Amino acid sequence: GQQVMQIPQYQHVQEGEDFTTYCNSSTTLSNIQWYKQRPGGHPVFLIQLVKSGEVKKQKRLTFQFGEAKKNSSLHITATQTTDVGTYFCARRTGNQFYFGTGTSLTVIP
Amino acid sequence: GAVVSQHPSRVICKSGTSVKIECRSLDFQATTMFWYRQFPKQSLMLMATSNEGSKATYEQGVEKDKFLINHASLTLSTLTVTSAHPEDSSFYICSASSPDRDGYTFGSGTRLTVV
Repeated sequence: GQQVMQIPQYQHVQEGEDFTTYCNSSTTLSNIQWYKQRPGGHPVFLIQLVKSGEVKKQKRLTFQFGEAKKNSSLHITATQTTDVGTYFCARRTGNQFYFGTGTSLTVIP
Repeated sequence: GAVVSQHPSRVICKSGTSVKIECRSLDFQATTMFWYRQFPKQSLMLMATSNEGSKATYEQGVEKDKFLINHASLTLSTLTVTSAHPEDSSFYICSASSPDRDGYTFGSGTRLTVV
């Protein structure tokens, strides 16, 4: 369907370890957005990627958009307990906006 | 800026009754709002795209007569769950886009429990 697949579905890391989630689409994406949803909360916009091969950084977070614009990744360096939550990629198709399947991150202190 | 207010945050209703959920953009005008449903430990599933002044666009499998959407103004969209059943219990959340920002802003969500 319209949903974008993300892997892994769940990830447990020790505090200080790195974390990466991957977003894969079978079709070319015009752009991709990333959101974070804390447990019990609502999604919060992190970033939008538009250009092929684009890399953007926000402090310990690095976002990449694949050269073919079919995949994207979010990498967190040296995770902290505040990074706990579910990370979603999302894409816009026409006038609709669809979320990926999400990766739930647990950080063990 | 770009605040979306959703009300109520929690509601418990009896089976067979209807529940209205409001989504307001407080400091911007939103010609388009999205309504999602999220079950525990799952992703957000798009239910419908709400367009100001016109009919909503529903996703496949979403009953438009059961989930009534009204977007009568540029700052308000409502979702009414009609004749609610226990299987409608879920987290409903709306979002809107501000023209001067990337990304979508989400309301805080409504946790609906049908008993």
